[in-house]
Amino acid sequence: QKEVEQNSGPLSVPEGAIASLNCTYSDRGSQSFFWYRQYSGKSPELIMFIYSNGDKEDGRFTAQLNKASQYVSLLIRDSQPSDSATYLCAVFTFQKLVFGTGTRLLVSP
Amino acid sequence: DTGVSQDPRHKITKRGQNVTFRCDPISEHNRLYWYRQTLGQGPEFLTYFQNEAQLEKSRLLSDRFSAERPKGSFSTLEIQRTEQGDSAMYLCASSATDNYGYTFGSGTRLTVV
Repeated sequence: QKEVEQNSGPLSVPEGAIASLNCTYSDRGSQSFFWYRQYSGKSPELIMFIYSNGDKEDGRFTAQLNKASQYVSLLIRDSQPSDSATYLCAVFTFQKLVFGTGTRLLVSP
Repeated sequence: DTGVSQDPRHKITKRGQNVTFRCDPISEHNRLYWYRQTLGQGPEFLTYFQNEAQLEKSRLLSDRFSAERPKGSFSTLEIQRTEQGDSAMYLCASSATDNYGYTFGSGTRLTVV
């Protein structure tokens, strides 16, 4: 079992829709969870982090954490074509960030 | 200081040659990380420094790889006797604490021909 698992996609949504990206992790002791966005050929850019169970909102982005289910998600409201990118889930475990393979999001105009 | 700097941005080398990459972290960050990313994969952890001490090395880091961070400032990653399988994006990141994630540099794209 991989430490951090994501569906590679692509996830296709129309402009203005809600995009829902999901991630599961294996280490029950993990306390910090991060979402990065990566455009093709660029380096990852941090967009959200969450530590506590529940929801955390920042503009059009909402991160959701359920530690009992070992599940993290990212919702993007009012999706824009500029949101088209790969979204990487990262979990702080064993003293370092461990990344999933990423989910490719395509937002069509 | 506007972020993490990596040099060079691109490197093409022949198989068997040695290459060295440099990373300059954000000045107030005492933690520095090296990751490697191949197409369609997430970044894979290679090694980690706190100040000048190298605290962890991944099993991915063979004997051909070595990293240093003299004086706890910039870091270098050297790959000796490069192989085609070393072709990847090498990412450097830094952080002040573990709580707020890492800031990545632009990466060095290595192509071994």
